[in-house]
Amino acid sequence: DAGVTQSPTHLIKTRGQHVTLRCSPISGHKSVSWYQQVLGQGPQFIFQYYEKEERGRGNFPDRFSARQFPNYSSELNVNALLLGDSALYLCASSPRTSGRNEQFFGPGTRLTVL
Amino acid sequence: AQSVTQLDSQVPVFEEAPVELRCNYSSSVSVYLFWYVQYPNQGLQLLLKYLSGSTLVESINGFEAEFNKSQTSFHLRKPSVHISDTAEYFCAVSVQDSSASKIIFGSGTRLSIRP
Repeated sequence: DAGVTQSPTHLIKTRGQHVTLRCSPISGHKSVSWYQQVLGQGPQFIFQYYEKEERGRGNFPDRFSARQFPNYSSELNVNALLLGDSALYLCASSPRTSGRNEQFFGPGTRLTVL
Repeated sequence: AQSVTQLDSQVPVFEEAPVELRCNYSSSVSVYLFWYVQYPNQGLQLLLKYLSGSTLVESINGFEAEFNKSQTSFHLRKPSVHISDTAEYFCAVSVQDSSASKIIFGSGTRLSIRP
């Protein structure tokens, strides 16, 4: 079975632009979470979606938004990009939203903002 | 508030030597604890997890971690490391609130193996 896939792999944007990152969960997984990993730090929770509804949100500004589609894939959108948004964006999927469930991570999208 | 502290940002060891990566957490609720490994330019892979039951958990590649509730620790150990263990290791706690679960990660420990 395919794991979590993310696209694109790398992305370069300039300040003020917007970006859309995509994630396809493992087949059968209904929950998708997004994390931001700045260089040299651990990942930080951004969003969790389950059954197309936002179930949790981390401490990120409103410039960050996401949605989940009927096939459980997800998009993360970031508007008005700042230099500090440069990071590895990780998507993780799990069958449900229980904390007992392992979250399976994709390879990430590396975003560079110039 | 829940948090995870990894006490060492870098740990250099010689090949075949033992290693311990330290992790402490704070949480006022039941915890589910994880160790993830990140190889260069890759995503995160689950190494091992503690959900309940035996406080000693093991991975398939020789790592083990022990949940110590009184010391709020979940240290990772391996009796003999290999060059291929070179990676960044993240300790994490999974937190469940009313409708969502999120993983809180430590800042990571970079394990470098010297031949």
